[in-house]
Amino acid sequence: KAGVTQTPRYLIKTRGQQVTLSCSPISGHRSVSWYQQTPGQGLQFLFEYFSETQRNKGNFPGRFSGRQFSNSRSEMNVSTLELGDSALYLCASSLVGGVYGYTFGSGTRLTVV
Amino acid sequence: GENVEQHPSTLSVQEGDSAVIKCTYSDSASNYFPWYKQELGKRPQLIIDIRSNVGEKKDQRIAVTLNKTAKHFSLHITETQPEDSAVYFCAANSGYALNFGKGTSLLVTP
Repeated sequence: KAGVTQTPRYLIKTRGQQVTLSCSPISGHRSVSWYQQTPGQGLQFLFEYFSETQRNKGNFPGRFSGRQFSNSRSEMNVSTLELGDSALYLCASSLVGGVYGYTFGSGTRLTVV
Repeated sequence: GENVEQHPSTLSVQEGDSAVIKCTYSDSASNYFPWYKQELGKRPQLIIDIRSNVGEKKDQRIAVTLNKTAKHFSLHITETQPEDSAVYFCAANSGYALNFGKGTSLLVTP
């Protein structure tokens, strides 16, 4: 069965722009979580969605937002991009919900110039 | 958020030797402790996990131990092979989130 699909794989944006990243979970998985991965900070939690509801949000500014659709696909949006937003954005889906048994996608590499 | 400390940050072992990576966590409510392996340019992959009602879990050459009283958990890899070379992340849950350690870069030399 198909894994977790993230699009696009690579993105280059300029400061001040906004960006939308997409994540399609494994079929049947209703929980989607997003993480930011950087060399200095490692993996940091952004948010988690289950059945279109955000259940938890990490310690990121309000410029970072997300949503989940009825088919469990999720998007995250970053507005007013800053250089420090350059990172690999990973989403993970889970069959049983929450943090158990994550399968990660390959990520979207965002570069802000 | 809650902290997960991971040591060492780099580890180099000879093929066939054992490797041990240690983590500590701060959230007393944490009850799920997974380990992920991330090869260069690839996604993190779950290799083993343990829940707080278990003290040790093994899967072939890898094992994880948990000391909930001391808030420590460790990954043990025996008979290391070059393909074990990767970055390993420990994590502990906090609500619906995982708090990750900063990672250990393991190099297994032939």
